[in-house]
Order: sequence, then C-alpha cells, then structure tokens
Amino acid sequence: DADVTQTPRNRITKTGKRIMLECSQTKGHDRMYWYRQDPGLGLRLIYYSFDVKDINKGEISDGYSVSRQAQAKFSLSLESAIPNQTALYFCATSAQEAGAYEQYFGPGTRLTVT
Amino acid sequence: GDSVTQMEGPVTLSEEAFLTINCTYTATGYPSLFWYVQYPGEGLQLLLKATKADDKGSNKGFEATYRKETTSFHLEKGSVQVSDSAVYFCALRALTGGGNKLTFGTGTQLKVEL
Repeated sequence: DADVTQTPRNRITKTGKRIMLECSQTKGHDRMYWYRQDPGLGLRLIYYSFDVKDINKGEISDGYSVSRQAQAKFSLSLESAIPNQTALYFCATSAQEAGAYEQYFGPGTRLTVT
Repeated sequence: GDSVTQMEGPVTLSEEAFLTINCTYTATGYPSLFWYVQYPGEGLQLLLKATKADDKGSNKGFEATYRKETTSFHLEKGSVQVSDSAVYFCALRALTGGGNKLTFGTGTQLKVEL
C-alpha cells in the first residue's frame, strides 16, 4: 500500500462549488504539505502543517483552506471553486528530525473546475 | 526570496545519449539542494540530494554536484534509457524560515527515444 494516499484522484466540479481533497499518510510523519502544480510553473506551496495544532499559509493560500484532523490526515478545501484553480494537487509529508529533508509525495489529484 | 531556475524542456534525446539538465538557484546562505523526478501519472520522488558545497548526490546513474561558486546543481547522466523519460524538478530547502519548505523550479521534461 502507498505511504501517502490522496482522494479523489480525479475530480471535475463546477464554478462556485465547495470541494475537499483528502490526504492520508502511514509514514508517521508530523509535517504535511499541500502543493499545486501548473504547467510551466512547477510546484507551489499552498499550506503546510508541522503538527495537528500548527497550520501555516504557503505562497498561494488565497481561495483555499485546510484542516489537520489527525497526525495522519490533512485535507484541502476550496470553498467556492473557480476555473483558475484547475490544476494538479499534491500532498506531501516529511519527518521532523534534523537532517530529514526528504518530502514524500502522494500520487496527486487532478482537479478541473468548469 | 529563494528561487530556482532550470532549463526549459522538453529535452529529447536518443537512448544512450548524455544528459545534462541545468539548474541554478538564488538563496540566502547555503541551502540544501534536490532533484526530484515525476514519472507519468505519479507523484514526485526524490532522485538525489546534496546538503553542502562540493557534495555530489548520485542515484540510478544520475549525478549532481553542489557548486557554491556558480550557485548551480546541474543534473547529469552518462547514458539515458527510455525508462528515464519523466519530468525532473530541481528544488532547494532554505536554512531560514524553519521547517522543510521546498522551493521548486518549473520542471524539465525529458523524452528518451529508441
């Protein structure tokens, strides 16, 4: 089984709808991240969380919110989806200890807003 | 702020050709540097990393050397295979700001043909 899972894998929704993307991990990591990937722009950080009580905005948080329901779960919400939020969304995790730099990515959710 | 610049793709090579994907960075101090690879339909996987100047990261025949004097971390492979076709991302982790936040380049698509 994959260590970092994302649901759904694909979603098509209409402008104005609320949508939630979910991420779960079995790696036991404290830190979790949400990124979006757009062609020609690479990955940009939306939100990150260092533990259940610590949520931080990334570089492009406007229009998004997150919830860290448990150490293993980190969900991303679009309260009112708009077409320019069409993108590939990735969840990632990392360990807390010093020197643990690697982030582990989920398979991604392809979101289309029409 | 921190930034990563990598060569635009797509890069198309014949099997067994030599590969170079250029990456330069701007950051305060001495960041850790990474190359991630994204195979079609999958999330990103760490390919290699270097945490200090003159370190060489290597994995699966790929190499990159952390060059502080030129602020570069170019990815090389002596003989590419069709299975190396993927998108490659250069990234840095700054030492300031806490956490394991990564700044990514825009990605370079590599296509290897028979």
